Amino acid sequence: SQKIEQNSEALNIQEGKTATLTCNYTNYSPAYLQWYRQDPGRGPVFLLLIRENEKEKRKERLKVTFDTTLKQSLFHITASQPADSATYLCALAGSGNTGKLIFGQGTTLQVKP
Amino acid sequence: GAVVSQHPSWVICKSGTSVKIECRSLDFQATTMFWYRQFPKQSLMLMATSNEGSKATYEQGVEKDKFLINHASLTLSTLTVTSAHPEDSSFYICSPTGTRGETQYFGPGTRLLVL
Repeated sequence: SQKIEQNSEALNIQEGKTATLTCNYTNYSPAYLQWYRQDPGRGPVFLLLIRENEKEKRKERLKVTFDTTLKQSLFHITASQPADSATYLCALAGSGNTGKLIFGQGTTLQVKP
Repeated sequence: GAVVSQHPSWVICKSGTSVKIECRSLDFQATTMFWYRQFPKQSLMLMATSNEGSKATYEQGVEKDKFLINHASLTLSTLTVTSAHPEDSSFYICSPTGTRGETQYFGPGTRLLVL
């Protein structure tokens, strides 16, 4: 069955360091992958989308890589700040442009000042 | 980004009552609406997909007679939890999508607690 795995353990890092979150998937060939931020008691907020034919995408301090051979995406936040503390979700979409997403369980990031 | 609202933001109800949750896309036309729910410490799980003016398509394991979805206009969709039970307590989130089909916008969520 299709499976998406994100590190369920919280990631604690010091302010200014780079945070790297991992998303692995199996039995799936997504047309694109997205990363979202979710704060407690709130809906997800879209951050980045990367397509199956793209290797890397950047937006300000964020960088996403997508390796379809390894079936893995890495999400990096450089120069992290306490305000970056949140849960980060990866979501995969299938082909056919249906818009349906399958979410990972999320990784909670805690940036300490 | 798109503005999506949900109402109410939280609701507490007695077991056996029905609860209606509204989702509005305020600045674009949502041809498709996705409804998700999220239990504590778990991932978002897709419940159903609805296209404006059509019946919703439900994911496996989701009872269509219990979770009634109406998508009568391009800016409004409602999810009604009928005869709610404590196990229906969850965080319900809508996600309206335009014609491009790449879901990017989510509502702020509705916290439902059934006593």
